[in-house]
Amino acid sequence: KAGVTQTPRYLIKTRGQQVTLSCSPISGHRSVSWYQQTPGQGLQFLFEYFSETQRNKGNFPGRFSGRQFSNSRSEMNVSTLELGDSALYLCASSWGTSGRARDEQFFGPGTRLTVL
Amino acid sequence: GQQLNQSPQSMFIQEGEDVSMNCTSSSIFNTWLWYKQDPGEGPVLLIALYKAGELTSNGRLTAQFGITRKDSFLNISASIPSDVGIYFCAGRSGNQFYFGTGTSLTVIP
Repeated sequence: KAGVTQTPRYLIKTRGQQVTLSCSPISGHRSVSWYQQTPGQGLQFLFEYFSETQRNKGNFPGRFSGRQFSNSRSEMNVSTLELGDSALYLCASSWGTSGRARDEQFFGPGTRLTVL
Repeated sequence: GQQLNQSPQSMFIQEGEDVSMNCTSSSIFNTWLWYKQDPGEGPVLLIALYKAGELTSNGRLTAQFGITRKDSFLNISASIPSDVGIYFCAGRSGNQFYFGTGTSLTVIP
């Protein structure tokens, strides 16, 4: 079974621009979560999607948004980029939305975003 | 957001030694997970724990869900060079996961 894939792997943007990151979950997985990883703050939860609906949202500004498509693929968008948005953005997929089916998340390799 | 207190922050050990790291929280968690992350990659799930007191093994790895539900530990026995990496704990409270600050493990051959 193919793992979680994320594109692109690396991205360089300038302040004020916007960016869209893509995540394809493991086949059959319907839940997708996004995380931001930085050296200072560690891994922080952004949002979770299931069946095209956002189920949970972390404590990030509205510049961070996402969506999920009917094939469970997900995109994350960051508008008006700031220097502090430089981070590794990780996507994780899981089979379901409760219990072990939800808790056992499988991560992609991440997209390394650098904002100049 | 909330972060779990993970210790030690880094470890340098000789190949063959056993390793122990732990995570503590001020909140109760329903699930504890342990991940390993290699440079340039996403975290890989090692062990998942679902019940207070549960002790689970995965090869040379053993993890326990603390009785108070506020802590967990991970042991690695007979370490080998490929154990090098950053180990993260994660706990679920309600609908959200919180991650530890990571333990960087270096194994000296």
